[in-house]
Parts: sequence; structure tokens; C-alpha cells
Amino acid sequence: SQTIHQWPATLVQPVGSPLSLECTVEGTSNPNLYWYRQAAGRGLQLLFYSVGIGQISSEVPQNLSASRPQDRQFILSSKKLLLSDSGFYLCAWSDGPYYEQYFGPGTRLTVT
Amino acid sequence: QKEVEQNSGPLSVPEGAIASLNCTYSDRVSQSFFWYRQYSGKSPELIMSIYSNGDKEDGRFTAQLNKASQYVSLLIRDSQPSDSATYLCAVNIDDYKLSFGAGTTVTVRA
Repeated sequence: SQTIHQWPATLVQPVGSPLSLECTVEGTSNPNLYWYRQAAGRGLQLLFYSVGIGQISSEVPQNLSASRPQDRQFILSSKKLLLSDSGFYLCAWSDGPYYEQYFGPGTRLTVT
Repeated sequence: QKEVEQNSGPLSVPEGAIASLNCTYSDRVSQSFFWYRQYSGKSPELIMSIYSNGDKEDGRFTAQLNKASQYVSLLIRDSQPSDSATYLCAVNIDDYKLSFGAGTTVTVRA
């Protein structure tokens, strides 16, 4: 069966510091991978998605970036965090013909 | 115009009652429709998927789809306190992406 991991689970970072969040998926090959952000009390905002190694599509212009160095690894980064980057970051994967996505446990980021 | 809209909450139902959640979508070419449950502080969990018109039942959950009306709903029968959560409707908008509604928060009161 497939499993998705995210780390860290929680993170408190000062404004202007760098960020690196990691997501890995087990039990599937060549999945589509997604990064979402959910601000407090808000809906899901798609940030990036990837359909293969090195292929990244950006949905929202911002100070975040994403990379996919391996088939089942997806990384979200920032060089300098803003207060507005605080939120719940969710990684998801999909490989089925019906487009269903499965979410990881998430990383709660607080920028202070 | 929002692609996926859900009925505004919060929705409060007594234990044992039926909770009815509604969702409308704007893209006529959408083929796949999903309901996710999100407990407070947790990530969304896929609980129902539906692809063709009609009803689909899974335990106490029933999803209903009407593509002509661009409408999908979720019924929760015999609601339990453990059903208290936010329910997200999602619709595929292309081969890779889903569009999510803002969610409806359900509270089941004992």
C-alpha cells in the first residue's frame, strides 16, 4: 500500500529565514505530486505540482519554490520567509485514472 | 467566479440525524468528484468518490451526482459525534488538478 510522509510536522521560523519541507511517497512509481497551503480557517491553495522528475508547475507567484530531485520526493523551499507564509503545508500524491489525491499529514509552519 | 462552491456552514445536527452537504461546480467537463473529511488540525482524508450520475453508498455515507445540474452532494446518515469535521468537495479541472471548495463544517451534537 502507498504511504506519504512529510517532515517536519511543526516548524517555527523567524521572518527572513530559509525553509525546506520534504515529502516522500512509498509504494507507487511516477506519481503526480502536489504542494498545497491552507491558511488558518481557509481553503486549500495549490502551490505547485509535478508530473515527473524535474517537472514543476507553479500555480501562484510567490517567494516559494519546489523541486523534485527523485521520483517519489518533493521539496518545498524558500530563501526568505515572510509572515504571510505561515500556514498548514500539505503534500499530496495521485497516480490513479480518476484524479483522486491523497494527502500527507502536513507541516504546520509559523513564521514569527 | 469560484469553480467549486459549497453550502455555507457551520451545519449543526443532532446525533442520529442526517447531515446533508451540497456542492456545485462550474466546469462542465469535470469527470471526477470527491468528498474529503478534515478533522481540526489534521490533513484531509478522502472518504467518497463518484464518477457517474446517481447515488453511491458507502456505509453511512451517500454521494449523489447530477452532472446536468452540476451538483454533487454528501449525505451522512445516523450522524455520530465522530463525524464532526470540515467536509471538502473537490472536482477535477484537468488531467492533474483538483479544485476544492472552501468546506462545510459539521458539528454533531449529542
